[in-house]
Amino acid sequence: EIVLTQSPGTLSLSPGERATLSCRASQSVSSSYLAWYQQKPGQAPRLLIYGASSRATGIPDRFSGSGSGTDFTLTISRLEPEDFAVYYCQQYGSSPGITFGQGTRLEIK
Amino acid sequence: EVQLVESGGGVVQPGGSLRLSCAASGFTFDDYAMHWVRQAPGKGLEWVSLISGDGGSTYYADSVKGRFTISRDNSKNSLYLQMNSLRTEDTALYYCAKDIGLFTIDYWGQGTLVTVSS
Repeated sequence: EIVLTQSPGTLSLSPGERATLSCRASQSVSSSYLAWYQQKPGQAPRLLIYGASSRATGIPDRFSGSGSGTDFTLTISRLEPEDFAVYYCQQYGSSPGITFGQGTRLEIK
Repeated sequence: EVQLVESGGGVVQPGGSLRLSCAASGFTFDDYAMHWVRQAPGKGLEWVSLISGDGGSTYYADSVKGRFTISRDNSKNSLYLQMNSLRTEDTALYYCAKDIGLFTIDYWGQGTLVTVSS
C-alpha cells in the first residue's frame, strides 16, 4: 500500500500570503491518479485538483497543483479568508489501493 | 445538479450489522464507479470501498475486507454498503461519493453517521 505523508501538519498564514502544501508518497504515483481536496468544518470534502495539476470545475485559478513521482505540491497563490481549511491529497495505486494523506490544516495566523 | 443522499446510519453494538444506502440523482448513474469513504470523529479521510459502474468489480480497504460488501442497483440509482461484524473502530461518518473516471472523487454526499458502541 502506498502511504501519503503530508507536510506540514499545520500551516499558519495570513490572507494574501502564498501557501505551499506538500504530499510525499512512499512509492511512485502516477500523476493521473493524484488529487487534492479541501474540507471545511462540518462539510464534505471538495475536489480541487485531479491528475496532479488539473483544476476541477469551478475552482479558482489561485489553486494550482504540481509534481510527479513521489513529490506533489498544492499551491494557493494568494490566500482568501475562505481558503482556511484542511487539505488532503489522495492517490490510486495497484490492487487498487486508494489512500489519503493525513491532511494539512491551513489556519489563519 | 448531482445529489448524493446517504441513509441507514445509527448506533449498533460491536459484532452487529448495518446497511447503508445512497440515493443518487443528477447524472447517469451506471456510467460511473462509486465509492464509500469514511471519517472517524476528528480524524482524516479513509477510503472504504469502490464499485464499478456495472457492478461487476468491487474493491475494499484491507480494514474492511471480508466484513463489508458494496453493491449497487442501477435501476434504482442506488448504492449500498452492507456492514457486518462491526467494530468500535468502524465508528465514523460514512460518505457516498462519485468517481470521475480516474479513481478520483468529484462529488460527495453529506454523510451518515455510524456509531459502534456497547
